[in-house]
Amino acid sequence: NTKITQSPRYLILGRANKSLECEQHLGHNAMYWYKQSAEKPPELMFLYNLKQLIRNETVPSRFIPECPDSSKLLLHISAVDPEDSAVYFCASSLGTISNERLFFGHGTKLSVL
Amino acid sequence: GDSVTQTEGQVALSEEDFLTIHCNYSASGYPTLFWYVQYPGEGPQLLFRASRDKEKGSSRGFEATYDKGTTSFHLRKASVQESDSAVYYCALSEWTGFASALTFGSGTKVIPCLP
Repeated sequence: NTKITQSPRYLILGRANKSLECEQHLGHNAMYWYKQSAEKPPELMFLYNLKQLIRNETVPSRFIPECPDSSKLLLHISAVDPEDSAVYFCASSLGTISNERLFFGHGTKLSVL
Repeated sequence: GDSVTQTEGQVALSEEDFLTIHCNYSASGYPTLFWYVQYPGEGPQLLFRASRDKEKGSSRGFEATYDKGTTSFHLRKASVQESDSAVYYCALSEWTGFASALTFGSGTKVIPCLP
């Protein structure tokens, strides 16, 4: 799926700060961050629609999302914890109807030392 | 809140066997139900969805029927192939008024074995 690009693909961190980036080329209004831990389903972290934060699930405060425009989504992580090791997926959807599908990127695999 | 239950964590079966993955949901409203498939190293991708009672979704030989009475959306395929090796997620969407929030079941790993 080249319509949603995420960078970097792999990230190995100690306790440094880092940002994950996502860009969608689908013209969608809604963008999401999902976290998928090993052998678990994806879990919603944040949901934006037209740059407004709509849903903010129970997520540690070291995760800060940013939506600079409706096609871009960032996830800033500070002082990572070993429990943060997971794959972080960006997704997007039209944001206009109730039965819409989500399109997912390939994910960023974060490994915390 | 809304939830989805998949009872099979892993299913190993021979090629050309019949596949069934059970999915039951709990929701206050009338959710849209989805089946997503995830291949190794990739994000989940939509297999199909259904929005109304008795509506049947299907794709690539897989199918499921929305049953409001039994709150189920079981996935079936008549003849599983090696290429079907993946994790399958049942999911439901909750409309927030601005966008859909997707809640996934625990997932079922399908492992086709050579006969």
